[in-house]
Amino acid sequence: QKEVEQDPGPLSVPEGAIVSLNCTYSNSAFQYFMWYRQYSRKGPELLMYTYSSGNKEDGRFTAQVDKSSKYISLFIRDSQPSDSATYLCAIRRGSGGGADGLTFGKGTHLIIQP
Amino acid sequence: ETGVTQSPTHLIKTRGQQVTLRCSSQSGHNTVSWYQQALGQGPQFIFQYYREEENGRGNFPPRFSGLQFPNYSSELNVNALELDDSALYLCASSLAASGRASSYNEQFFGPGTRLTVL
Repeated sequence: QKEVEQDPGPLSVPEGAIVSLNCTYSNSAFQYFMWYRQYSRKGPELLMYTYSSGNKEDGRFTAQVDKSSKYISLFIRDSQPSDSATYLCAIRRGSGGGADGLTFGKGTHLIIQP
Repeated sequence: ETGVTQSPTHLIKTRGQQVTLRCSSQSGHNTVSWYQQALGQGPQFIFQYYREEENGRGNFPPRFSGLQFPNYSSELNVNALELDDSALYLCASSLAASGRASSYNEQFFGPGTRLTVL
């Protein structure tokens, strides 16, 4: 079983729709949960990060972490064509444990239709 | 733009050759991480350097090696290139407050170097 599972899509929705992107993970040692956005031919850029369980909101974006079910979500409200990109979930262990790199999902290719 | 730069942008090599990729960190950052992103996949952690020493390593063979310089720029070297090494190589810089790079330190990614091995 991969450490992080993410549906690669593509996911196509009409402009203005609410988008739900999800990942599951297998190792309960992970404590930091991040969502990155990657446009074609660019490096990933951080959208949001959450420590442990809970919700976090930033403008049109909401990140949710449910550690009991090992499930993380990103919601995008009022989706825009400029939101079309690949969305990568990433997780990391807490401090002092193992390698300090991020473990990424495969990424979900999102298309917002005008 | 993150302020992290990578060179070259694209590179074509043949199997068995060696390659060196370069990364300049964002100003003030002391930690550099390298990732390999194959087509259609998420980035995979190769290793991280903090204050010129390897700080952690992912599941990559020893032919993947690196360096970090006193100005915190970094190199990734890959020896004996294989076809499966074809990928986008990303570097990310971050600032660790003290000691080992730990807790949450946001990683800022460069645009990547696209390596093709023929």
